[in-house]
Amino acid sequence: QITLKESGPTLVKPTQTLTLTCTFSGFSLTTNGVSVGWVRKPPGKALECLALIYWDDDKRYSPSLRSRVTITKDTSKDQVVLIMTNMDPMDTGTYYCAVSTRGYFGSWGQGTQVTVSS
Amino acid sequence: DTQMTQSPSTLSASVGDRVTITCRASQTIGYWLAWYQQKPGKAPKLLIYKTSSLESGVPSRFSGSGSGTEFTLTISSLQPDDFATYYCQQYNNYFTFGQGTKLEIK
Repeated sequence: QITLKESGPTLVKPTQTLTLTCTFSGFSLTTNGVSVGWVRKPPGKALECLALIYWDDDKRYSPSLRSRVTITKDTSKDQVVLIMTNMDPMDTGTYYCAVSTRGYFGSWGQGTQVTVSS
Repeated sequence: DTQMTQSPSTLSASVGDRVTITCRASQTIGYWLAWYQQKPGKAPKLLIYKTSSLESGVPSRFSGSGSGTEFTLTISSLQPDDFATYYCQQYNNYFTFGQGTKLEIK
Protein backbone atom coordinates (compact mmCIF):
# COMPACT_ATOMS: atom_id res chain seq x y z
CA GLN A 1 0.00 0.00 0.00
CA ILE A 2 1.39 3.36 -1.06
CA THR A 3 1.29 6.18 1.45
CA LEU A 4 2.73 9.67 1.42
CA LYS A 5 2.69 12.24 4.18
CA GLU A 6 3.72 15.87 4.11
CA SER A 7 5.26 17.64 7.08
CA GLY A 8 6.53 21.11 7.78
CA PRO A 9 5.56 24.46 9.25
CA THR A 10 1.98 25.62 9.04
CA LEU A 11 2.90 29.30 9.32
CA VAL A 12 5.79 31.16 7.73
CA LYS A 13 6.52 34.85 7.52
CA PRO A 14 6.91 36.74 4.27
CA THR A 15 10.45 36.50 2.83
CA GLN A 16 11.18 33.37 4.87
CA THR A 17 12.15 30.01 3.38
CA LEU A 18 9.73 27.10 3.50
CA THR A 19 10.99 23.55 3.88
CA LEU A 20 8.51 20.70 3.44
CA THR A 21 9.23 17.00 3.75
CA CYS A 22 7.35 14.19 2.06
CA THR A 23 7.80 10.81 3.75
CA PHE A 24 6.55 7.88 1.74
CA SER A 25 6.21 4.12 1.86
CA GLY A 26 5.01 1.36 -0.40
CA PHE A 27 7.32 2.22 -3.29
CA SER A 28 10.95 3.05 -3.90
CA LEU A 29 12.32 6.20 -5.47
CA THR A 30 15.18 4.10 -6.84
CA THR A 31 12.83 2.18 -9.13
CA ASN A 32 13.11 3.04 -12.82
CA GLY A 33 10.37 5.44 -13.88
CA VAL A 34 9.22 6.53 -10.44
CA SER A 35 9.00 10.19 -9.49
CA VAL A 36 7.64 12.27 -6.65
CA GLY A 37 6.21 15.72 -7.13
CA TRP A 38 4.91 18.62 -5.11
CA VAL A 39 1.57 20.15 -6.04
CA ARG A 40 -0.10 23.04 -4.29
CA LYS A 41 -3.61 24.43 -4.20
CA PRO A 42 -4.03 28.06 -3.22
CA PRO A 43 -7.50 28.89 -1.88
CA GLY A 44 -9.92 29.40 -4.75
CA LYS A 45 -7.29 28.64 -7.35
CA ALA A 46 -6.23 25.67 -9.42
CA LEU A 47 -3.74 22.96 -8.65
CA GLU A 48 -0.14 23.83 -9.55
CA CYS A 49 2.76 21.43 -9.93
CA LEU A 50 5.81 22.99 -8.29
CA ALA A 51 8.52 20.43 -8.87
CA LEU A 52 9.18 16.78 -9.59
CA ILE A 53 12.15 14.55 -8.86
CA TYR A 54 12.84 11.28 -10.66
CA TRP A 55 14.41 8.01 -9.62
CA ASP A 56 17.60 8.97 -11.46
CA ASP A 57 17.74 12.37 -9.70
CA ASP A 58 16.51 14.26 -12.76
CA LYS A 59 14.40 17.22 -11.71
CA ARG A 60 11.66 19.32 -13.26
CA TYR A 61 10.51 22.69 -12.00
CA SER A 62 7.58 24.95 -12.65
CA PRO A 63 8.85 27.59 -15.10
CA SER A 64 7.28 30.36 -13.02
CA LEU A 65 8.83 29.19 -9.74
CA ARG A 66 12.14 27.76 -10.92
CA SER A 67 14.20 30.49 -9.26
CA ARG A 68 12.58 29.90 -5.86
CA VAL A 69 12.14 26.15 -5.63
CA THR A 70 14.53 23.27 -4.99
CA ILE A 71 13.60 19.59 -4.74
CA THR A 72 15.84 16.87 -3.33
CA LYS A 73 15.48 13.26 -2.26
CA ASP A 74 16.94 11.03 0.42
CA THR A 75 16.33 7.47 -0.69
CA SER A 76 17.76 6.06 2.54
CA LYS A 77 14.94 7.75 4.43
CA ASP A 78 12.27 7.49 1.70
CA GLN A 79 11.85 11.24 1.76
CA VAL A 80 11.56 14.09 -0.72
CA VAL A 81 12.19 17.65 0.39
CA LEU A 82 10.86 20.85 -1.15
CA ILE A 83 12.53 24.16 -0.40
CA MET A 84 10.83 27.39 -1.44
CA THR A 85 12.50 30.70 -0.83
CA ASN A 86 11.18 34.22 -0.41
CA MET A 87 7.70 33.17 0.64
CA ASP A 88 4.83 35.54 -0.07
CA PRO A 89 1.20 35.60 1.11
CA MET A 90 0.27 34.45 -2.42
CA ASP A 91 2.04 31.17 -1.61
CA THR A 92 -0.58 30.35 1.01
CA GLY A 93 -2.34 27.09 0.29
CA THR A 94 -2.38 23.35 0.72
CA TYR A 95 0.78 21.59 -0.37
CA TYR A 96 0.64 17.97 -1.51
CA CYS A 97 3.25 15.45 -2.47
CA ALA A 98 2.30 12.75 -4.92
CA VAL A 99 3.90 9.80 -6.70
CA SER A 100 4.01 9.44 -10.45
CA THR A 101 5.19 6.66 -12.72
CA ARG A 102 4.13 7.96 -16.14
CA GLY A 103 3.42 11.65 -15.64
CA TYR A 104 0.10 11.46 -13.84
CA PHE A 105 -0.17 11.34 -10.06
CA GLY A 106 -1.56 8.04 -8.88
CA SER A 107 -1.29 8.48 -5.12
CA TRP A 108 -1.28 11.63 -3.02
CA GLY A 109 -0.53 12.64 0.52
CA GLN A 110 -3.21 14.18 2.67
CA GLY A 111 -1.74 17.65 2.16
CA THR A 112 -0.37 20.20 4.56
CA GLN A 113 -1.70 23.73 5.00
CA VAL A 114 0.85 26.52 4.73
CA THR A 115 -0.08 30.08 5.61
CA VAL A 116 2.22 32.97 4.81
CA SER A 117 1.58 35.88 7.10
CA SER A 118 3.47 38.27 9.31
CA ASP B 1 3.92 26.56 -21.16
CA THR B 2 0.94 24.44 -22.04
CA GLN B 3 -2.18 26.08 -20.66
CA MET B 4 -5.23 23.97 -19.86
CA THR B 5 -8.71 25.49 -19.99
CA GLN B 6 -11.70 23.69 -18.57
CA SER B 7 -15.36 24.41 -19.25
CA PRO B 8 -17.69 25.00 -17.66
CA SER B 9 -16.25 26.37 -14.43
CA THR B 10 -19.39 25.34 -12.58
CA LEU B 11 -21.94 22.75 -13.57
CA SER B 12 -25.27 22.17 -11.84
CA ALA B 13 -26.80 18.75 -12.35
CA SER B 14 -29.06 16.19 -10.74
CA VAL B 15 -28.52 12.60 -9.67
CA GLY B 16 -28.90 10.39 -12.71
CA ASP B 17 -27.87 13.08 -15.21
CA ARG B 18 -25.21 12.54 -17.85
CA VAL B 19 -22.60 15.29 -17.67
CA THR B 20 -19.60 16.24 -19.76
CA ILE B 21 -16.65 18.43 -18.83
CA THR B 22 -14.32 19.77 -21.50
CA CYS B 23 -10.60 20.46 -21.26
CA ARG B 24 -8.68 22.29 -23.98
CA ALA B 25 -4.91 22.50 -24.28
CA SER B 26 -3.12 25.53 -25.68
CA GLN B 27 -0.99 23.19 -27.82
CA THR B 28 -1.21 19.59 -28.79
CA ILE B 29 -0.53 17.11 -25.99
CA GLY B 30 -1.26 13.86 -27.77
CA TYR B 31 -3.08 11.55 -25.37
CA TRP B 32 -1.17 12.67 -22.29
CA LEU B 33 -4.09 13.81 -20.20
CA ALA B 34 -5.39 12.79 -16.80
CA TRP B 35 -8.54 13.62 -14.84
CA TYR B 36 -8.83 13.99 -11.06
CA GLN B 37 -11.69 14.38 -8.62
CA GLN B 38 -11.23 16.49 -5.52
CA LYS B 39 -13.56 16.91 -2.59
CA PRO B 40 -13.23 19.66 0.04
CA GLY B 41 -10.40 19.00 2.47
CA LYS B 42 -9.24 15.94 0.56
CA ALA B 43 -6.39 15.20 -1.83
CA PRO B 44 -7.15 14.84 -5.52
CA LYS B 45 -8.03 11.35 -6.66
CA LEU B 46 -6.91 10.01 -10.02
CA LEU B 47 -9.84 8.94 -12.19
CA ILE B 48 -8.49 8.61 -15.72
CA TYR B 49 -5.04 8.66 -17.34
CA LYS B 50 -3.81 8.68 -20.91
CA THR B 51 -7.09 10.30 -21.96
CA SER B 52 -9.33 7.27 -21.56
CA SER B 53 -7.76 4.67 -19.27
CA LEU B 54 -9.78 4.15 -16.13
CA GLU B 55 -7.80 3.98 -12.91
CA SER B 56 -8.31 0.79 -10.93
CA GLY B 57 -11.31 0.99 -8.64
CA VAL B 58 -12.94 3.94 -10.42
CA PRO B 59 -16.56 3.28 -11.39
CA SER B 60 -17.24 2.63 -15.06
CA ARG B 61 -19.69 5.54 -15.23
CA PHE B 62 -16.60 7.72 -15.64
CA SER B 63 -15.09 7.85 -19.10
CA GLY B 64 -12.67 10.05 -21.01
CA SER B 65 -12.05 10.80 -24.65
CA GLY B 66 -10.23 13.16 -26.98
CA SER B 67 -6.80 13.77 -28.43
CA GLY B 68 -4.53 16.58 -29.46
CA THR B 69 -6.00 19.67 -27.84
CA GLU B 70 -9.57 18.79 -26.89
CA PHE B 71 -10.63 16.29 -24.27
CA THR B 72 -13.76 15.37 -22.36
CA LEU B 73 -14.67 13.68 -19.11
CA THR B 74 -18.13 12.15 -19.06
CA ILE B 75 -20.08 10.81 -16.11
CA SER B 76 -22.85 8.68 -17.53
CA SER B 77 -25.24 8.74 -14.57
CA LEU B 78 -24.42 11.05 -11.70
CA GLN B 79 -24.34 9.56 -8.23
CA PRO B 80 -24.46 11.54 -4.97
CA ASP B 81 -20.78 10.81 -4.36
CA ASP B 82 -19.79 12.46 -7.65
CA PHE B 83 -20.48 16.04 -6.60
CA ALA B 84 -16.97 17.44 -6.38
CA THR B 85 -14.43 19.49 -8.32
CA TYR B 86 -12.79 17.93 -11.35
CA TYR B 87 -9.40 18.83 -12.79
CA CYS B 88 -7.66 17.87 -15.99
CA GLN B 89 -3.86 17.65 -16.12
CA GLN B 90 -1.56 17.43 -19.10
CA TYR B 91 1.76 15.63 -18.83
CA ASN B 92 3.16 16.05 -22.30
CA ASN B 93 5.14 19.20 -21.55
CA TYR B 94 5.88 19.52 -17.84
CA PHE B 95 2.66 19.18 -15.83
CA THR B 96 -0.18 21.67 -15.81
CA PHE B 97 -3.72 21.51 -14.49
CA GLY B 98 -6.93 23.07 -15.65
CA GLN B 99 -8.63 25.57 -13.37
CA GLY B 100 -11.23 23.05 -12.27
CA THR B 101 -14.93 22.39 -12.80
CA LYS B 102 -17.16 22.39 -9.74
CA LEU B 103 -20.02 19.94 -10.11
CA GLU B 104 -22.92 21.05 -7.93
CA ILE B 105 -26.26 19.55 -7.07
CA LYS B 106 -29.09 21.26 -8.94
